[in-house]
Amino acid sequence: EADIYQTPRYLVIGTGKKITLECSQTMGHDKMYWYQQDPGMELHLIHYSYGVNSTEKGDLSSESTVSRIRTEHFPLTLESARPSHTSQYLCASRGYGNEKLFFGSGTQLSVL
Amino acid sequence: QQQVKQSPQSLIVQKGGISIINCAYENTAFDYFPWYQQFPGKGPALLIAIRPDVSEKKEGRFTISFNKSAKQFSLHIMDSQPGDSATYFCAAGFSSNTGNQFYFGTGTSLTVIP
Repeated sequence: EADIYQTPRYLVIGTGKKITLECSQTMGHDKMYWYQQDPGMELHLIHYSYGVNSTEKGDLSSESTVSRIRTEHFPLTLESARPSHTSQYLCASRGYGNEKLFFGSGTQLSVL
Repeated sequence: QQQVKQSPQSLIVQKGGISIINCAYENTAFDYFPWYQQFPGKGPALLIAIRPDVSEKKEGRFTISFNKSAKQFSLHIMDSQPGDSATYFCAAGFSSNTGNQFYFGTGTSLTVIP
């Protein structure tokens, strides 16, 4: 059973609002990821981290930012949400030397 | 350029039948090929994975067939059950600890009819 948690589960907000999607894992994994998932599309990597104070952008351009101040916490922030940000956001982690990704249940974001 | 191509987009199978999902990849340097299963409202979960040094891996009713020369791999679900109804994603990536990501297919929505 994966110990990776995402909150909120659903979020509906208006354009221009600042939001933070939370992701926490209790497995001590060094690597963490944020993927964007849209129906019928592949999971797109938007951010990843190899450890504390390490963050990189993924292949998919994103206006969001991330931080990794603690090993267990990898929040994603949108400074000014737009309707084009409407999507499902999945957080994942994996441990050192292990290829297995553990995913959270996702945050479904709707920007009106 | 899409690194992993997956087909079909959707699949309907009778209970007890065989479900087959196919994937093709571009980068010959990939050395790890997992399949993830996702139920509605949940995140994907690792189902089974294979490395390119073997042509087949079986775990219960789930089998991966791997064709290195064709750069293709497929998931076979034997004796499909209604509980197998889910979305399946293939992926490709690097097993080394320096590898930073996996590339996912577009997913296959499987429905098993009782």
